[in-house]
Amino acid sequence: EDKVVQSPLSLVVHEGDTVTLNCSYEVTNFRSLLWYKQEKKAPTFLFMLTSSGIEKKSGRLSSILDKKELFSILNITATQTGDSAVYLCAVVGGSQGNLIFGKGTKLSVKP
Amino acid sequence: KAGVTQTPRYLIKTRGQQVTLSCSPISGHRSVSWYQQTPGQGLQFLFEYFSETQRNKGNFPGRFSGRQFSNSRSEMNVSTLELGDSALYLCASSLARAILSPLHFGNGTRLTVT
Repeated sequence: EDKVVQSPLSLVVHEGDTVTLNCSYEVTNFRSLLWYKQEKKAPTFLFMLTSSGIEKKSGRLSSILDKKELFSILNITATQTGDSAVYLCAVVGGSQGNLIFGKGTKLSVKP
Repeated sequence: KAGVTQTPRYLIKTRGQQVTLSCSPISGHRSVSWYQQTPGQGLQFLFEYFSETQRNKGNFPGRFSGRQFSNSRSEMNVSTLELGDSALYLCASSLARAILSPLHFGNGTRLTVT
């Protein structure tokens, strides 16, 4: 069965800390891995990764994919309270090429 | 540019009833996909419509169905509601097929079944 596992499930840090969120997957016919941020309702797109070892970066956020070890990490440096959200990892693949989501990591950044 | 619009925002139904949810994609987007989000299962893929045709379907019973109109707007229908159908239903649109391009999500419809 295809699965995407995120860790930790929740995390509490203080402003200014650096955090690393993990996403491991066992998905057949892997096509891509995506990260989304969900603050209240609508998840918003962060990164799409298709190739191993190439870091994607946007401001204080960065992500990298390891297709050999089947995982990705999302790094957030100098965290701010506005980074508090659930971070979702999704993998496109499986027998039907669907999006398979992990259960998310809930990040709380305290002032 | 207007985002993805879902209506209604909240819905309360009783077991056995049916419900229809609506989704208007971002202008120019041809793909609309639907997801169910619950605390226990997380986000789960329901189905995707592209150019009025269902292209992909998740592992949900036949009580869950959908359609897409020529203007790309989509509706999702759930018949014979069960308590376990209580969830946040999210719709997402994308320019190309959902497996090829990032998704833009709506704010969802919160369905409560009593």
